Amino acid sequence: TQLLEQSPQFLSIQEGENLTVYCNSSSVFSSLQWYRQEPGEGPVLLVTVVTGGEVKKLKRLTFQFGDARKDSSLHITAAQPGDTGLYLCAGNTGGFKTIFGAGTRLFVKA
Amino acid sequence: DAGVIQSPRHEVTEMGQEVTLRCKPISGHNSLFWYRQTMMRGLELLIYFNNNVPIDDSGMPEDRFSAKMPNASFSTLKIQPSEPRDSAVYFCASSLVTSGRGSYEQYFGPGTRLTVT
Repeated sequence: TQLLEQSPQFLSIQEGENLTVYCNSSSVFSSLQWYRQEPGEGPVLLVTVVTGGEVKKLKRLTFQFGDARKDSSLHITAAQPGDTGLYLCAGNTGGFKTIFGAGTRLFVKA
Repeated sequence: DAGVIQSPRHEVTEMGQEVTLRCKPISGHNSLFWYRQTMMRGLELLIYFNNNVPIDDSGMPEDRFSAKMPNASFSTLKIQPSEPRDSAVYFCASSLVTSGRGSYEQYFGPGTRLTVT
């Protein structure tokens, strides 16, 4: 069974701090996406990574795909209250199906 | 672009009643997914369609659940009869799957919050 494990499950930090969340699997993915979900809304796509070792930046967010394409990380620099939400990683093995992790729930205090 | 549209946004019903959730995918997308999200189980894939054809319904919990996609712009998820344990947020997502590639980015609707009492 393919599984995507995210850590930590919950993170509460002060505004201005840095943080990293992780997404790990024993499976190799052809691509991996990160989504952010706010209360009462659906997940919103942040980024897709497809190449092993790839690094993508989205303002204060840095996403990295592992060399073996089995894991990924999301680093947020100088977190702001607007970053609060549930961060989900999702992996594709090349078929139609996407596997979602359980998510990291981030709370940034002002 | 209007994005994925779901209706209703909220549904409260009594146990035993039939519930129908509706979804309009993004125009031009050829794949549609139904998910269920709860605090305990996270986001679970129920069923997905490609070109209006159900590809995998192994995530559908029971025979009480059924889904249809009569055309490229409309899908329904029906629960009959509904039970309290079906209470959850149900999301529809759509994607464009091209030849030789898997489903990459999915675009989610706002969800339907279902409460079965």
